[in-house]
Amino acid sequence: KQEVTQIPAALSVPEGENLVLNCSFTDSAIYNLQWFRQDPGKGLTSLLLIQSSQREQTSGRLNASLDKSSGRSTLYIAASQPGDSATYLCAVTMDSSYKLIFGSGTRLLVRP
Amino acid sequence: GAVVSQHPSRVICKSGTSVKIECRSLDFQATTMFWYRQFPKKSLMLMATSNEGSKATYEQGVEKDKFLINHASLTLSTLTVTSAHPEDSSFYICSTTSNGGSSYEQYFGPGTRLTVT
Repeated sequence: KQEVTQIPAALSVPEGENLVLNCSFTDSAIYNLQWFRQDPGKGLTSLLLIQSSQREQTSGRLNASLDKSSGRSTLYIAASQPGDSATYLCAVTMDSSYKLIFGSGTRLLVRP
Repeated sequence: GAVVSQHPSRVICKSGTSVKIECRSLDFQATTMFWYRQFPKKSLMLMATSNEGSKATYEQGVEKDKFLINHASLTLSTLTVTSAHPEDSSFYICSTTSNGGSSYEQYFGPGTRLTVT
C-alpha cells in the first residue's frame, strides 16, 4: 500500500529565504506526482505536476523535482514571501485512474 | 485551470439529519469527480469516485449507504451525508480532472465545512 510522507510537518522562515519541502513515497511505481497549495479553510490549488518520466517542473519561483527510484520529490521555493504561507501537499497517482494519495502536508509560515 | 464550485461552503446540522453537498464544474464537462474528506490538520482521504450516469466507486472503509453520491449530469455531483453524527463533522472537498487526455491535473472545489451538533 502506497504511503506518502512529508517532512517537515511545519516550517517557519523569514521572508526572502529559499526553502525546500520534502515528500517521500514508499512505492516507486507512481504514475505522476502533484504538488498542491492549501490556504486555511480553503480548497487546493495545483502548483506543479510531474509525470513519472520527468525529473522536474518549474513555475515561477517554484521548482519541483522527482526521483522515482528513491521515492522522493522536493519542492523548492525561491525568495519566499509572506504570501507563500500555506499548507503544501504532495500527492501521487499509481495509474491513469486519477486517484490521488496525499501526504499529510507541510504548514509553511513566511515571516515578514 | 478548471473552475469547480461547492455549495454550501459551511453547514451546521443536528444529529440524525441529512445534508447534501453540491459540486459543480463550471467551465467544462466532468465525467468523473472525486470526493475527499479532510480532518483538522490532516491530509485528504479519498472517499469515492463519482462517475456520471453510473454508480459511484467507494474506497475501502467508506459506507456507501451513509455517504450517498449522485452524478446525474456532466457538471454536477452531489454528496449526501445521511443520518449525520458528530463524527461526520469534517471538511469535504470535491475535485475533477479537466479531460480524459494527457492532462492528469486535478482541480479542486473550495470545500464544505460540515459541523454536526
